[in-house]
Amino acid sequence: DTAVSQTPKYLVTQMGNDKSIKCEQNLGHDTMYWYKQDSKKFLKIMFSYNNKELIINETVPNRFSPKSPDKAHLNLHINSLELGDSAVYFCASKRQGGSYEQYFGPGTRLTVT
Amino acid sequence: DQQVKQNSPSLSVQEGRISILNCDYTNSMFDYFLWYKKYPAEGPTFLISISSIKDKNEDGRFTVFLNKSAKHLSLHIVPSQPGDSAVYFCAASSGGSQGNLIFGKGTKLSVKP
Repeated sequence: DTAVSQTPKYLVTQMGNDKSIKCEQNLGHDTMYWYKQDSKKFLKIMFSYNNKELIINETVPNRFSPKSPDKAHLNLHINSLELGDSAVYFCASKRQGGSYEQYFGPGTRLTVT
Repeated sequence: DQQVKQNSPSLSVQEGRISILNCDYTNSMFDYFLWYKKYPAEGPTFLISISSIKDKNEDGRFTVFLNKSAKHLSLHIVPSQPGDSAVYFCAASSGGSQGNLIFGKGTKLSVKP
C-alpha cells in the first residue's frame, strides 16, 4: 500500500547505456515530479508533469525524458548515460490545486561506471 | 544561485532540549514554505508547512516560524527525541500551475540520548 513507489531502488550501469526508472503513485494525484539529488545533496527539480503540461527544468539534458503512460505513472528514461548522471533520483506527486505538499518515493540510486 | 539556503549543515542537540533549524530565502515571490524530514535510504517526508500570510504554524512538537521581512523561517522541535535524528530540508514554492518546490541543502540533526 505504498503511496509513491519507485523501481529499481538501486541501478548500476555502464556509460553509454540507456536505462529507465519507474514511478507509480496510488494517491490519485494529478501532478508528478522527478528530482535529482546529486553528490552535494541538493534536491533539484527535473520535471513536473500533469495531464496538461510538462515543465522541464532548462538545465536538464535532453538525454532525460519523462514518459507518462497514465495519470498514476511517470517513468524516467535516460539515454547515453554519463558518469555525471550518478545520483539519487526521487519521484514525487501532488494533488492538483489546493495544498503544496508533495509526497516522495523512496528514491533510486543510480551509479554509472 | 541558491534561492533557499540552510547555512548549518549539521546540528547536535541533547534529548529533551529544543532543536532550532534555520532557513533563509531570497525570492520574495515565494508564498508557501515546507519542511521535510529525510532518513537515510528513504525519500523525504512532509513534516509541516506555512503560508506566507501567517507567521507561525504549530503541529504537536513541531512549530514553524516565518519572518517575511527578514526572508527567514525556522523549525522548532520541542522536546527533541532521538527518533528526530534525520536530515531536514526547507522548501519553498511560488505557486504556479504545478507548484514546483525549491529545496535547501538540508541540515542533519542529531539528537543524543
